[in-house]
Amino acid sequence: QQPVQSPQAVILREGEDAVINCSSSKALYSVHWYRQKHGEAPVFLMILLKGGEQKGHEKISASFNEKKQQSSLYLTASQLSYSGTYFCGTVQGGSEKLVFGKGTKLTVNP
Amino acid sequence: NAGVTQTPKFQVLKTGQSMTLQCAQDMNHNSMYWYRQDPGMGLRLIYYSASEGTTDKGEVPNGYNVSRLNKREFSLRLESAAPSQTSVYFCASKRDTETQYFGPGTRLLVL
Repeated sequence: QQPVQSPQAVILREGEDAVINCSSSKALYSVHWYRQKHGEAPVFLMILLKGGEQKGHEKISASFNEKKQQSSLYLTASQLSYSGTYFCGTVQGGSEKLVFGKGTKLTVNP
Repeated sequence: NAGVTQTPKFQVLKTGQSMTLQCAQDMNHNSMYWYRQDPGMGLRLIYYSASEGTTDKGEVPNGYNVSRLNKREFSLRLESAAPSQTSVYFCASKRDTETQYFGPGTRLLVL
């Protein structure tokens, strides 16, 4: 079951904040966040496990609401290097499958 | 460590031709995956292998076959390529509850 990401795209000015959401209709064991630059492979950002704490480092953090089966990625004081497409991937309990959403394209302008 | 490697990096096929995409990982991971990525569709799982000797279908398995040759290698085969299989193919691997690591991708064009 593919998770749903929102928004599909967002344009920011350098220094602004953004939130990207990921929701699933199924009970989740974990949520994985990746960023992909054009022409490159997705790069791992962080993983949130069921029962775990909010993760993050520096200006990128994420939360996982188990009751709502939702995760949010928070980007604060955005930098030009944050531009790219962000994907959430979800894993249901007992499964080895990581299923990705369609992505959120983030553009940070000077 | 090379991580996850894929060959070839780019391939052009004619409709009806066959080919095998190769993937190898040197991280001693149990699970390996094949995804395809098309504009606006995100990453869609084709097949995966939770351990050596096992394979399972993902979201879009039609037109593909896979082989988990050993713990390191997981290949994807197109028996009779179609233009709809034009895409970028990514292989990934992971160990237990950790996250996946992706290879650099193979860009396939089917004419």
